[in-house]
Amino acid sequence: GENVEQHPSTLSVQEGDSAVIKCTYSDSASNYFPWYKQELGKRPQLIIDIRSNVGEKKDQRIAVTLNKTAKHFSLHITETQPEDSAVYFCAARGHFGNEKLTFGTGTRLTIIP
Amino acid sequence: NAGVTQTPKFQVLKTGQSMTLQCAQDMNHEYMSWYRQDPGMGLRLIHYSVGAGITDQGEVPNGYNVSRSTTEDFPLRLLSAAPSQTSVYFCASSSPGPGELFFGEGSRLTVL
Repeated sequence: GENVEQHPSTLSVQEGDSAVIKCTYSDSASNYFPWYKQELGKRPQLIIDIRSNVGEKKDQRIAVTLNKTAKHFSLHITETQPEDSAVYFCAARGHFGNEKLTFGTGTRLTIIP
Repeated sequence: NAGVTQTPKFQVLKTGQSMTLQCAQDMNHEYMSWYRQDPGMGLRLIHYSVGAGITDQGEVPNGYNVSRSTTEDFPLRLLSAAPSQTSVYFCASSSPGPGELFFGEGSRLTVL
Protein backbone atom coordinates (compact mmCIF):
# COMPACT_ATOMS: atom_id res chain seq x y z
CA GLY A 1 0.00 0.00 0.00
CA GLU A 2 0.84 3.67 -0.06
CA ASN A 3 3.32 5.08 2.47
CA VAL A 4 3.61 8.81 3.06
CA GLU A 5 6.47 10.33 5.05
CA GLN A 6 6.33 13.93 6.27
CA HIS A 7 9.07 16.20 7.61
CA PRO A 8 9.67 18.01 9.85
CA SER A 9 7.40 16.93 12.70
CA THR A 10 7.67 20.38 14.30
CA LEU A 11 8.56 23.73 12.78
CA SER A 12 8.86 27.16 14.34
CA VAL A 13 9.25 30.28 12.20
CA GLN A 14 9.23 33.99 12.86
CA GLU A 15 6.11 35.82 11.78
CA GLY A 16 6.58 37.05 8.24
CA ASP A 17 9.08 34.35 7.31
CA SER A 18 8.35 31.38 5.04
CA ALA A 19 7.62 27.79 6.09
CA VAL A 20 8.21 24.65 4.03
CA ILE A 21 6.89 21.17 4.80
CA LYS A 22 7.98 18.19 2.72
CA CYS A 23 6.38 14.82 2.00
CA THR A 24 7.39 11.74 0.05
CA TYR A 25 5.12 8.96 -1.19
CA SER A 26 5.78 5.41 -2.32
CA ASP A 27 3.03 4.46 -4.80
CA SER A 28 3.77 5.76 -8.29
CA ALA A 29 0.05 5.30 -9.14
CA SER A 30 -0.98 8.01 -6.66
CA ASN A 31 -2.47 10.94 -8.56
CA TYR A 32 -3.86 13.38 -6.02
CA PHE A 33 -2.04 15.13 -3.19
CA PRO A 34 -4.03 17.28 -0.74
CA TRP A 35 -2.86 19.26 2.27
CA TYR A 36 -5.00 19.60 5.38
CA LYS A 37 -4.75 22.08 8.22
CA GLN A 38 -5.94 21.15 11.70
CA GLU A 39 -6.27 23.79 14.36
CA LEU A 40 -6.23 22.75 17.99
CA GLY A 41 -9.34 20.76 18.87
CA LYS A 42 -10.81 21.11 15.39
CA ARG A 43 -11.32 18.87 12.40
CA PRO A 44 -8.81 18.72 9.51
CA GLN A 45 -9.74 21.01 6.64
CA LEU A 46 -8.43 21.09 3.09
CA ILE A 47 -6.25 24.10 2.31
CA ILE A 48 -4.80 23.20 -1.08
CA ASP A 49 -4.40 20.19 -3.35
CA ILE A 50 -2.56 19.21 -6.50
CA ARG A 51 -3.12 16.57 -9.13
CA SER A 52 -0.38 14.53 -10.73
CA ASN A 53 -0.58 16.32 -14.08
CA VAL A 54 0.39 19.65 -12.46
CA GLY A 55 3.80 20.64 -11.09
CA GLU A 56 2.85 23.63 -8.97
CA LYS A 57 -0.27 25.33 -7.64
CA LYS A 58 -0.64 28.59 -5.73
CA ASP A 59 -3.42 30.10 -3.66
CA GLN A 60 -2.47 33.46 -2.19
CA ARG A 61 0.24 32.77 0.43
CA ILE A 62 0.11 29.01 0.02
CA ALA A 63 1.73 26.95 -2.73
CA VAL A 64 2.29 23.27 -3.35
CA THR A 65 4.91 21.73 -5.63
CA LEU A 66 5.00 18.16 -6.94
CA ASN A 67 7.94 16.18 -8.32
CA LYS A 68 6.51 12.94 -9.71
CA THR A 69 9.88 11.55 -10.69
CA ALA A 70 11.22 11.86 -7.17
CA LYS A 71 7.79 11.13 -5.61
CA HIS A 72 7.80 14.10 -3.32
CA PHE A 73 5.66 17.17 -2.80
CA SER A 74 5.96 20.23 -0.61
CA LEU A 75 3.82 22.90 1.02
CA HIS A 76 5.13 26.46 1.03
CA ILE A 77 3.61 29.17 3.20
CA THR A 78 4.93 32.69 2.66
CA GLU A 79 4.57 35.78 4.87
CA THR A 80 3.46 33.60 7.78
CA GLN A 81 0.93 34.95 10.25
CA PRO A 82 -0.06 33.83 13.78
CA GLU A 83 -3.22 32.20 12.42
CA ASP A 84 -1.04 29.85 10.38
CA SER A 85 -0.11 28.07 13.63
CA ALA A 86 -1.65 24.59 13.35
CA VAL A 87 -0.86 20.99 12.47
CA TYR A 88 -0.51 20.35 8.75
CA PHE A 89 -1.01 16.97 7.11
CA CYS A 90 -0.04 15.91 3.63
CA ALA A 91 -1.80 12.99 1.96
CA ALA A 92 -1.72 10.87 -1.17
CA ARG A 93 -4.62 9.20 -2.96
CA GLY A 94 -4.58 6.36 -5.48
CA HIS A 95 -6.45 6.01 -8.72
CA PHE A 96 -10.23 5.53 -8.87
CA GLY A 97 -11.18 2.12 -7.48
CA ASN A 98 -8.57 2.28 -4.76
CA GLU A 99 -10.05 5.06 -2.71
CA LYS A 100 -7.69 5.17 0.23
CA LEU A 101 -6.30 8.49 1.36
CA THR A 102 -3.01 7.94 3.17
CA PHE A 103 -1.85 10.72 5.46
CA GLY A 104 1.56 11.77 6.64
CA THR A 105 2.22 11.99 10.37
CA GLY A 106 1.74 15.76 10.53
CA THR A 107 3.83 18.90 11.11
CA ARG A 108 3.13 21.17 14.04
CA LEU A 109 3.81 24.69 12.77
CA THR A 110 4.28 27.46 15.33
CA ILE A 111 4.50 31.08 14.22
CA ILE A 112 6.55 33.19 16.62
CA PRO A 113 5.23 36.78 16.87
CA ASN B 1 -26.40 21.76 5.30
CA ALA B 2 -24.96 19.80 8.24
CA GLY B 3 -22.12 18.08 6.31
CA VAL B 4 -20.65 15.16 8.29
CA THR B 5 -22.13 14.59 11.74
CA GLN B 6 -20.52 12.35 14.35
CA THR B 7 -21.88 11.27 17.70
CA PRO B 8 -20.97 11.11 20.50
CA LYS B 9 -18.27 13.81 20.79
CA PHE B 10 -16.87 12.30 23.97
CA GLN B 11 -17.11 8.80 25.44
CA VAL B 12 -15.45 6.93 28.29
CA LEU B 13 -15.56 3.14 28.22
CA LYS B 14 -14.27 0.38 30.42
CA THR B 15 -12.12 -2.35 28.93
CA GLY B 16 -14.29 -5.00 27.32
CA GLN B 17 -17.32 -2.79 26.73
CA SER B 18 -18.72 -2.33 23.25
CA MET B 19 -20.05 0.78 21.61
CA THR B 20 -20.94 2.34 18.28
CA LEU B 21 -19.72 5.66 16.93
CA GLN B 22 -22.33 7.11 14.62
CA CYS B 23 -21.56 8.99 11.40
CA ALA B 24 -24.00 10.54 8.97
CA GLN B 25 -23.52 12.77 5.94
CA ASP B 26 -26.09 14.72 3.94
CA MET B 27 -23.98 15.46 0.85
CA ASN B 28 -24.90 12.26 -1.04
CA HIS B 29 -21.24 11.22 -0.98
CA GLU B 30 -20.48 7.67 -2.09
CA TYR B 31 -17.18 7.41 -0.27
CA MET B 32 -17.05 7.31 3.55
CA SER B 33 -14.23 6.42 5.90
CA TRP B 34 -13.15 6.25 9.51
CA TYR B 35 -9.77 7.46 10.74
CA ARG B 36 -8.18 7.44 14.13
CA GLN B 37 -5.78 10.16 15.20
CA ASP B 38 -3.05 9.51 17.73
CA PRO B 39 -0.22 11.86 18.75
CA GLY B 40 2.72 11.62 16.37
CA MET B 41 0.98 9.10 14.13
CA GLY B 42 -1.22 11.28 11.99
CA LEU B 43 -4.53 10.01 10.67
CA ARG B 44 -4.73 6.27 10.10
CA LEU B 45 -7.48 4.67 8.05
CA ILE B 46 -9.58 2.09 9.92
CA HIS B 47 -12.29 1.13 7.42
CA TYR B 48 -13.76 2.69 4.34
CA SER B 49 -16.72 2.30 2.02
CA VAL B 50 -17.12 3.20 -1.64
CA GLY B 51 -20.90 2.81 -1.59
CA ALA B 52 -23.88 1.29 0.19
CA GLY B 53 -23.28 -2.39 0.90
CA ILE B 54 -19.54 -2.17 0.22
CA THR B 55 -16.89 -1.89 2.93
CA ASP B 56 -13.20 -2.66 3.12
CA GLN B 57 -10.38 -2.59 5.61
CA GLY B 58 -7.89 0.20 5.94
CA GLU B 59 -4.55 0.29 7.68
CA VAL B 60 -5.69 -0.49 11.26
CA PRO B 61 -8.99 -2.46 11.15
CA ASN B 62 -8.51 -4.89 14.05
CA GLY B 63 -11.05 -4.49 16.83
CA TYR B 64 -13.49 -2.50 14.69
CA ASN B 65 -16.48 -3.36 12.52
CA VAL B 66 -18.39 -1.24 10.04
CA SER B 67 -21.48 -1.54 7.88
CA ARG B 68 -22.96 0.66 5.17
CA SER B 69 -26.67 -0.04 4.75
CA THR B 70 -27.46 3.43 3.38
CA THR B 71 -25.52 6.11 1.51
CA GLU B 72 -25.89 8.48 4.46
CA ASP B 73 -24.75 6.37 7.44
CA PHE B 74 -21.49 4.64 8.28
CA PRO B 75 -21.32 3.50 11.92
CA LEU B 76 -18.11 2.24 13.53
CA ARG B 77 -18.46 -0.51 16.14
CA LEU B 78 -15.92 -1.31 18.81
CA LEU B 79 -16.52 -4.93 19.68
CA SER B 80 -14.56 -5.20 22.97
CA ALA B 81 -12.85 -1.95 23.85
CA ALA B 82 -9.17 -1.98 24.79
CA PRO B 83 -7.00 0.85 26.19
CA SER B 84 -5.10 0.86 22.85
CA GLN B 85 -8.29 2.15 21.25
CA THR B 86 -8.12 5.38 23.22
CA SER B 87 -7.96 7.93 20.44
CA VAL B 88 -9.78 10.64 18.53
CA TYR B 89 -11.93 9.20 15.75
CA PHE B 90 -12.86 11.08 12.62
CA CYS B 91 -15.48 10.13 10.08
CA ALA B 92 -15.05 11.57 6.59
CA SER B 93 -16.86 11.55 3.28
CA SER B 94 -16.20 12.54 -0.30
CA SER B 95 -17.25 12.05 -3.87
CA PRO B 96 -15.47 9.36 -5.91
CA GLY B 97 -12.09 10.19 -7.36
CA PRO B 98 -9.71 12.97 -6.39
CA GLY B 99 -11.38 15.62 -4.30
CA GLU B 100 -11.88 17.10 -0.88
CA LEU B 101 -12.43 14.82 2.07
CA PHE B 102 -14.98 16.35 4.45
CA PHE B 103 -14.41 15.48 8.09
CA GLY B 104 -16.77 15.31 11.02
CA GLU B 105 -15.93 17.12 14.24
CA GLY B 106 -14.35 14.04 15.80
CA SER B 107 -15.17 11.73 18.69
CA ARG B 108 -12.76 11.52 21.62
CA LEU B 109 -12.82 8.01 23.09
CA THR B 110 -11.10 7.00 26.31
CA VAL B 111 -10.89 3.35 27.32
CA LEU B 112 -10.00 2.71 30.94
